[in-house]
Amino acid sequence: EVQLVESGGGLVKPGGSLRLSCVASGFTFSDYSMNWVRQAPGKGLEWLSSISSRSSYIYYTDSVKGRFTISRDNAKNSLYLHMNSLRAEDTAVYYCARVGGSGWSDYWGQGTLVTVSS
Amino acid sequence: EIVLTQSPGTLSLSPGERVTLSCRASRSVSSSYLAWYQQKPGQAPRLLIYGASSRATGIPDRFSGSGSGTDFTLTISRLEPEDFAVYYCQQYGTSPWTFGQGTKVEIK
Repeated sequence: EVQLVESGGGLVKPGGSLRLSCVASGFTFSDYSMNWVRQAPGKGLEWLSSISSRSSYIYYTDSVKGRFTISRDNAKNSLYLHMNSLRAEDTAVYYCARVGGSGWSDYWGQGTLVTVSS
Repeated sequence: EIVLTQSPGTLSLSPGERVTLSCRASRSVSSSYLAWYQQKPGQAPRLLIYGASSRATGIPDRFSGSGSGTDFTLTISRLEPEDFAVYYCQQYGTSPWTFGQGTKVEIK
């Protein structure tokens, strides 16, 4: 069974940093690209970043470019999102998701909540 | 970036009814790289449709997707009680990948 488990969320002050983790199981992690997607409270979904299976290709949406860094450790079946210079508008549930085929997200974690507030 | 506009914002329907949800793109979506997701309160999204019309694993055949270019549709042939949720479309043909704002299907 495919499982994705995020962790690392919490309360952080504006300007602060946080690292989210996502541990994968039930599939060969190193064969798949991965996504981070977030959802602000009561709002819709926002794709943030993607990383290819060997980290050769990395993409970001403009709102996080230069502040967030996606990375992975295939030996540990883990995906990461390093978040710097956090703002109130970064408050959201952050999901990791497996990329199926050409880019859709076929499996999602349960999400981890990040709250940016003083 | 490609902006996806979903309509209507909210639909109030009864079980057994047929549902048609629209997703319109600001410019053509490459190779019909469009997906649909269902999200229930407090849960992660669930993939329903990819490639505009291919059902994901385990998705009932009452769900179908169609369209190409800039106009896409998700149809639920006969609403079941568990189908009341928010539905999102997403394009993954052009970076940044983008989602529509969602359509809520609620019980009438």
